Amino acid sequence: EVQLLESGGGLVQPGGSLRLSCAVSGFTFSNYAMSWVRQAPGKGLEWVSAISGSGDRTSYTNSVKGRFTISRDNSENTLYLQMSSLRAEDTAVYFCAKDQTYSSSTYYFDYWGQGTLLTVSS
Amino acid sequence: DIQMTQSPSSVSASVGDRVTITCRASHVISNSLVWYQQKPGQAPKLLIFAASSLQSGVPSRFSGSGSGTDFALTVSSLQPEDFATYYCHQTDSFPYTFGQGTKLQIK
Repeated sequence: EVQLLESGGGLVQPGGSLRLSCAVSGFTFSNYAMSWVRQAPGKGLEWVSAISGSGDRTSYTNSVKGRFTISRDNSENTLYLQMSSLRAEDTAVYFCAKDQTYSSSTYYFDYWGQGTLLTVSS
Repeated sequence: DIQMTQSPSSVSASVGDRVTITCRASHVISNSLVWYQQKPGQAPKLLIFAASSLQSGVPSRFSGSGSGTDFALTVSSLQPEDFATYYCHQTDSFPYTFGQGTKLQIK
């Protein structure tokens, strides 16, 4: 059974930093690209960042470029999102999501975690 | 960025009704369009990929159509479990934008 479990959310002051983790099981992690997608309270979905299966290619939405870093540890089956210079508008539930397509990045997601809430507030 | 515009933003319907939600892209995206269903407090669920391909395990009452800039998601006969919010998502060009969502409510 495929499982994705996010952790690391919480309350952070503006300008602060936090790292989110997503522990996965039930599939060969290194064979699939992964993404982070966020959802502000009561709002829609926003793709944030993606990483290839090997970790050698990353991409970011413009609003987080230079502030967020996506990474993965294929030996530990874990995806990360390091976030810095956090702003109030980064407040959201952050979902990790598995790309559907084997050994490729197609940016649509067949499995999602349940999300972890980041609140940026003083 | 490619803007994705869904219509309507909300719709009320009854069990057994046929409902269609549309999604328009601001630029041509070929068939790189995905539909998700999301229920309150849950993660999104993949319904349709490549505009019209039904995801494994999704009931056949869901169907997708369209290409280029205009797309649609149709539910042929609404069931109680279908009342949720639906999002389209373009996977053609960075950044991979979502529509604003369509809330399907019980009439």
